Amino acid sequence: NAGVTQTPKFQVLKTGQSMTLQCAQDMNHEYMSWYRQDPGMGLRLIHYSVGAGITDQGEVPNGYNVSRSTTEDFPLRLLSAAPSQTSVYFCASSYSMTGKYSGNTIYFGEGSWLTVV
Amino acid sequence: GENVEQHPSTLSVQEGDSAVIKCTYSDSTSNYFPWYKQELGKRPQLIIDIRSNVGEKKDQRIAVTLNKTAKHFSLHITETQPEDSAVYFCAAYTGTASKLTFGTGTRLQVTL
Repeated sequence: NAGVTQTPKFQVLKTGQSMTLQCAQDMNHEYMSWYRQDPGMGLRLIHYSVGAGITDQGEVPNGYNVSRSTTEDFPLRLLSAAPSQTSVYFCASSYSMTGKYSGNTIYFGEGSWLTVV
Repeated sequence: GENVEQHPSTLSVQEGDSAVIKCTYSDSTSNYFPWYKQELGKRPQLIIDIRSNVGEKKDQRIAVTLNKTAKHFSLHITETQPEDSAVYFCAAYTGTASKLTFGTGTRLQVTL
């Protein structure tokens, strides 16, 4: 049971390049989400998914795409990287966050440090 | 959408003293309030949480209180130790939107 696995851990991109941050969990969690963390701004929700085939936008979705074709995987795509996307990205998952399961522990991956130059 | 405000942004206490971090939220339908501790370069780790049907919860030196009427909740750490030094985040979960919104964090420094 590896928990939430993110790759890569570190990445440097040039402005305009695209890339995908991978996130996988082996806990059969329905709920998965992506956050970015910038100094002094806490964690801000980018996109989230309440189950396979369902995604929705968070607080700061512009410049990012997601898909959820399987329960296990939730990749985050940067379409055309910009210096403003330099940040630490965290993937997180939970068994469920709806109905009577609202309030399940959310588990975070180790983070992906992205620098756009 | 939900807005979570967290104070103070930095807090310095002497070892053995208590530390209190306060958060307010805006969405009255929020029903789950976790607290996370994050050490430098590491992922956030859940330290305690509380649901909207509970007013207080304790776990050894850590306690959280919730005032739904005033829409604020607080983290209390007693008998602080140097290993408590970290950044602490509060968060509020809004079930109707399936979103967990974080505060901006409090950097706690415990000095000897």
